[in-house]
Amino acid sequence: KNEVEQSPQNLTAQEGEFITINCSYSVGISALHWLQQHPGGGIVSLFMLSSGKKKHGRLIATINIQEKHSSLHITASHPRDSAVYICAVRSYYGGSQGNLIFGKGTKLSVKP
Amino acid sequence: DGGITQSPKYLFRKEGQNVTLSCEQNLNHDAMYWYRQDPGQGLRLIYYSQIVNDFQKGDIAEGYSVSREKKESFPLTVTSAQKNPTAFYLCASSTTGVPNTEAFFGQGTRLTVV
Repeated sequence: KNEVEQSPQNLTAQEGEFITINCSYSVGISALHWLQQHPGGGIVSLFMLSSGKKKHGRLIATINIQEKHSSLHITASHPRDSAVYICAVRSYYGGSQGNLIFGKGTKLSVKP
Repeated sequence: DGGITQSPKYLFRKEGQNVTLSCEQNLNHDAMYWYRQDPGQGLRLIYYSQIVNDFQKGDIAEGYSVSREKKESFPLTVTSAQKNPTAFYLCASSTTGVPNTEAFFGQGTRLTVV
């Protein structure tokens, strides 16, 4: 079982729809990251969370530490939001210090 | 502007040749990382370095080598020993000593071995 699971794997939405992408993890973490990868491949960091909720423009990220779950919401979705969204956690324990453990990503396609 | 630069964006090599991917950052970050991305899989750690002249193997280091002679630079060599080198390679950096620090990523290099 992967330590970081994302759902759904693929998501198609119509422009203007409210979108939710989910991330569940099984390890103790110090932080959770939401990343965006565009078709060209480069990755941009959207949020880093250790508790609560953060908002940036039309994007909202929440985390529930007790339930080991995070969600990324996009309000009023737009075709330019089409990308792969990746959840990554920074684990407390073992492995490479400071290393991130990545989910497989959610591919979002927003149709006009 | 501060950031991470990976070059080249696309790279083609013949089977059996070594190839070196470049990663440079001007963020004054101590830690640098190399990841490999394959279709349908999450990013996997190849090597990381937390200080100049020191680096550690990640989860899939076999067939790869790195150096860290300068803080700004962390080149990755894909050797002929790497059985499946065709992949997308991403470099990242972050500060160390701060528990919840943001990671910054390069634009990636897509390596195709023919």
